[in-house]
Parts: sequence; C-alpha cells; structure tokens
Amino acid sequence: SQQGEEDPQALSIQEGENATMNCSYKTSINNLQWYRQNSGRGLVHLILIRSNEREKHSGRLRVTLDTSKKSSSLLITASRAADTASYFCATAPISSGSARQLTFGSGTQLTVLP
Amino acid sequence: EPEVTQTPSHQVTQMGQEVILRCVPISNHLYFYWYRQILGQKVEFLVSFYNNEISEKSEIFDDQFSVERPDGSNFTLKIRSTKLEDSAMYFCASSGSGAEQYFGPGTRLTVT
Repeated sequence: SQQGEEDPQALSIQEGENATMNCSYKTSINNLQWYRQNSGRGLVHLILIRSNEREKHSGRLRVTLDTSKKSSSLLITASRAADTASYFCATAPISSGSARQLTFGSGTQLTVLP
Repeated sequence: EPEVTQTPSHQVTQMGQEVILRCVPISNHLYFYWYRQILGQKVEFLVSFYNNEISEKSEIFDDQFSVERPDGSNFTLKIRSTKLEDSAMYFCASSGSGAEQYFGPGTRLTVT
C-alpha cells in the first residue's frame, strides 16, 4: 500500500454508533495528523499525534499510533449525522530541514445515518 | 477564529493561459503551503514556503509553477501556462510554530 492508506474506503453506520478508521504508512514519521473534508470543501484539522505518543484524545475523537506497525486509528464515538465526511490521515516525514510536507492517504468516506 | 482564505473559489481558464491563485494565511503563521487535489484523487503536496523562500517542493512543482509572498498578508501560486491536467482543487495552508496545518476552502481550477 502507499504511504498513508486508510481503510475501510467507505463506512456507513447509524447515529450513536462508534466509527473506527485505520491508516497505514510506510516511512518513518515525525507526526501523523487526521483531517476531515466535507464534500467539495476544504480540509479541517482534527488531531495530531507525535511519533513518541501512543494515544491522544480530543472530545469524541481518539487516535492511536503504533509506530512498530506503522499504523494509526481514529475512533469517533457517539457519531452524529454531522460527522458524515471523508477522513484522511496525513504523515509528516522524519528528515532534515523543516520536514513539514504532508503525505495524505486516500481517505475513508464515513456516512452516519440518522 | 482566524482562518485561511482563498480567492477565487472557482477559476476557469483556457489551456496555455497564466493563472494566479491567491491565499491569505492566518496572520501570525510562518509556514505556508500549496496542495492540490485532482477530482477523485489524493491531496498532493506541491510546495512549502518559509522565511520568504521555498523550503520544500514536490516533483509536481515544476518550472511552470511559482509562489510568492508579495506583501505581509498574501501568498500566491502562479501557473504560467496551464495544461488540462492542471485542473484540480488547489488548497493553501499555513502553520505556526506547531505542526498542525490549517487549510483554506480551496480554489477549483478548471482548464479548458
């Protein structure tokens, strides 16, 4: 798989259920970020986890990072119809210099049914 | 809450024409970026800009592309001679001292 690949590609759940999306990557990273994109709109930053962190929470979001497996997961608890969007992971590489360019995955399309 | 703005929201141009996409990053941010997303594809990094110079660029960012920060607030992407394959959504982003990048709403470029 390519750097920053999410699975599943599409996920449909009922409102109130939890949604889990996974991301795998190939190279060593400085940090991993999750973004949300509503159809045809810009990217909204959700949460960042650094390579030395294993878990992070922000409101209804929980992100885990396993650098040994080069994978991350995003959990959205108690989902709402408004959570319907595409979710992308993006990785920032370890390298010399500013190393801020992000490599995005293909995304998971989440649909939350009312 | 401060946000990144981009103009225009939609630009239609003919092949071979020059286009300039404009962005106003968040005012106290130091790092600026351009990404693009071809319809149905991944978001791709184009270029990053810091301290008035390009800090990183991708293979996509060839001699047809240039960036400029003409004043203290604007950040522009110029495509000198557009091709059909340049049709995409172009996103500007900025970041401060942290690694989080904040994206604008995008400019949809259509090359005919």
